[in-house]
Amino acid sequence: SQELEQSPQSLIVQEGKNLTINCTSSKTLYGLYWYKQKYGEGLIFLMMLQKGGEEKSHEKITAKLDEKKQQSSLHITASQPSHAGIYLCGADRGNKLVFGAGTILRVKS
Amino acid sequence: GAGVSQSPSNKVTEKGKDVELRCDPISGHTALYWYRQRLGQGLEFLIYFQGNSAPDKSGLPSDRFSAERTGESVSTLTIQRTQQEDSAVYLCASSLGLLGQGVGTGELFFGEGSRLTVL
Repeated sequence: SQELEQSPQSLIVQEGKNLTINCTSSKTLYGLYWYKQKYGEGLIFLMMLQKGGEEKSHEKITAKLDEKKQQSSLHITASQPSHAGIYLCGADRGNKLVFGAGTILRVKS
Repeated sequence: GAGVSQSPSNKVTEKGKDVELRCDPISGHTALYWYRQRLGQGLEFLIYFQGNSAPDKSGLPSDRFSAERTGESVSTLTIQRTQQEDSAVYLCASSLGLLGQGVGTGELFFGEGSRLTVL
């Protein structure tokens, strides 16, 4: 099994709806990164969380880190077609990032 | 350029051939990473370079894979005697410093990748 498990693997939401993506680690989290990837493109950095309970927001995307649960969640409010893509979480594992398998998000207009 | 540049963007090769993939990091970035992304999967760490230190090769899947970096500039990932399971997108990333060293934001800046198809 993967060190970082993301759920769901994929989801389709109606434009305007809220959604949450989860990332659970089998090991202690010291730093958790969220990236977005569109087909044929590189990864775009969204947010980095380092402290337990930390929460960051950028536009309509909010990420939280629950250190005790070794889990992070990414919440999108009022989804738009521009939010569609693959969301990847990455954990800091001593000078390198280890990534989850990703969550594919599709937004229906 | 302003971002990480990778070439070629697409490469189709025959099984058994050698391939070279190139990465130009952002100027001034001392750390450089290579990742592999197979279809429908997450990113798999391959190797990283930091300045003149010995690279961390712990993610290279076999001795057919090797990578070089000259100083803090261009890196080349070489795959010898390619196999069909090597088909993937190979992504390069650079950063101001290694993760955990508190340099910059710790963000990795990714290129758009080189898509390798082995027939």
